[in-house]
Amino acid sequence: GAGVSQSPSNKVTEKGKDVELRCDPISGHTALYWYRQSLGQGLEFLIYFQGNSAPDKSGLPSDRFSAERTGGSVSTLTIQRTQQEDSAVYLCASSLAGVLNEQFFGPGTRLTVL
Amino acid sequence: QKEVEQNSGPLSVPEGAIASLNCTYSDRGSQSFFWYRQYSGKSPELIMFIYSNGDKEDGRFTAQLNKASQYVSLLIRDSQPSDSATYLCAVNPSSASKIIFGSGTRLSIRP
Repeated sequence: GAGVSQSPSNKVTEKGKDVELRCDPISGHTALYWYRQSLGQGLEFLIYFQGNSAPDKSGLPSDRFSAERTGGSVSTLTIQRTQQEDSAVYLCASSLAGVLNEQFFGPGTRLTVL
Repeated sequence: QKEVEQNSGPLSVPEGAIASLNCTYSDRGSQSFFWYRQYSGKSPELIMFIYSNGDKEDGRFTAQLNKASQYVSLLIRDSQPSDSATYLCAVNPSSASKIIFGSGTRLSIRP
């Protein structure tokens, strides 16, 4: 596609359930990033992929969060045993290569944990 | 101390005036600096990036970087109501494979 796509656009889940968020980057972009944005806040860095490997996982909030990227393209962010504080918009971005290139953001997934 | 700090605003500027947005960062070795604009309910989009000390101009936008003082600013000349948005400062810390975003400054241009 022309831009970064994310699915689902909205997800409502019950506390304790697992959720999986998907990101489809721009074709040819080797770098992929996940961020979290709570209401009225800035972007919180979660994880960065270069190809299929993740040089920096330092932003993942807890071991309930994991992410993978396969084939150098699609990435999934999985949150296990969701908590109410996980409610936020999860944004994915991609860039040509590395953090010094412009990041193009997807529309985000709004996660609500009841 | 936060790695990237911005005044949350809101900053209210009359139409046609210059809007000045400021950002400070804590890692003295940071090399790359970005300004993103985020409209309400939308995703961020890159406005400008700057790597060297001094000014960088692009249309109505000017980014200013002062590494000695560890601040970066964004000036918007001839402000338009369509400039009303949240502006996010982002910094690539030294030896880091990530961008750290500030919490953003909400800018409102009043007609």
